[in-house]
Amino acid sequence: ILNVEQSPQSLHVQEGDSTNFTCSFPSSNFYALHWYRWETAKSPEALFVMTLNGDEKKKGRISATLNTKEGYSYLYIKGSQPEDSATYLCARGYYGGSQGNLIFGKGTKLSVKP
Amino acid sequence: DAGITQSPRHKVTETGTPVTLRCHQTENHRYMYWYRQDPGHGLRLIHYSYGVKDTDKGEVSDGYSVSRSKTEDFLLTLESATSSQTSVYFCAISDPGQEYNEQFFGPGTRLTVL
Repeated sequence: ILNVEQSPQSLHVQEGDSTNFTCSFPSSNFYALHWYRWETAKSPEALFVMTLNGDEKKKGRISATLNTKEGYSYLYIKGSQPEDSATYLCARGYYGGSQGNLIFGKGTKLSVKP
Repeated sequence: DAGITQSPRHKVTETGTPVTLRCHQTENHRYMYWYRQDPGHGLRLIHYSYGVKDTDKGEVSDGYSVSRSKTEDFLLTLESATSSQTSVYFCAISDPGQEYNEQFFGPGTRLTVL
């Protein structure tokens, strides 16, 4: 198993704060890095998929960067809102892996207080 | 939203009884997955399928079996349910060549084994 680590495990911020979290992964046989947003009592929803070193993706106030050489990705949220409260999962795909499997981290749980 | 349904959505059963969960997709995606979600563990892969009648074990496959007799359906069976199998079960689908095997998740099934 190629472990994917996420930090911090949980994060509490005030509305309007900007925040970021980290996803670390083994860089060997890298294929793609996925970010998911997972609200309580719902199913995970895809945010981004990144494949190239230096990739940067943005969706509204949320953006992500990728460093495949050192094996990490950052997710940034600018001006957090209560509706951003969710668990953010990252997952790594890799060459030679079984049929498109992803290895998921345990997530960072974000709580945004109004 | 990807066309993925899971049934039942909630189930309470007793230790020792067999249980079957169903995942149904209308996207004609080749790959299907079963995960379980537990506090502190994130998403863990139970079994996956890479085509009709082609399945393989994931990280936590003991006590579970699967079957896929047609593209749209992937069944997860607990042969003899135990309390440790109380969890939320998610089905996911993906397709090679689409967004680097980005996975789309069903709504989840909450299973309680008494």
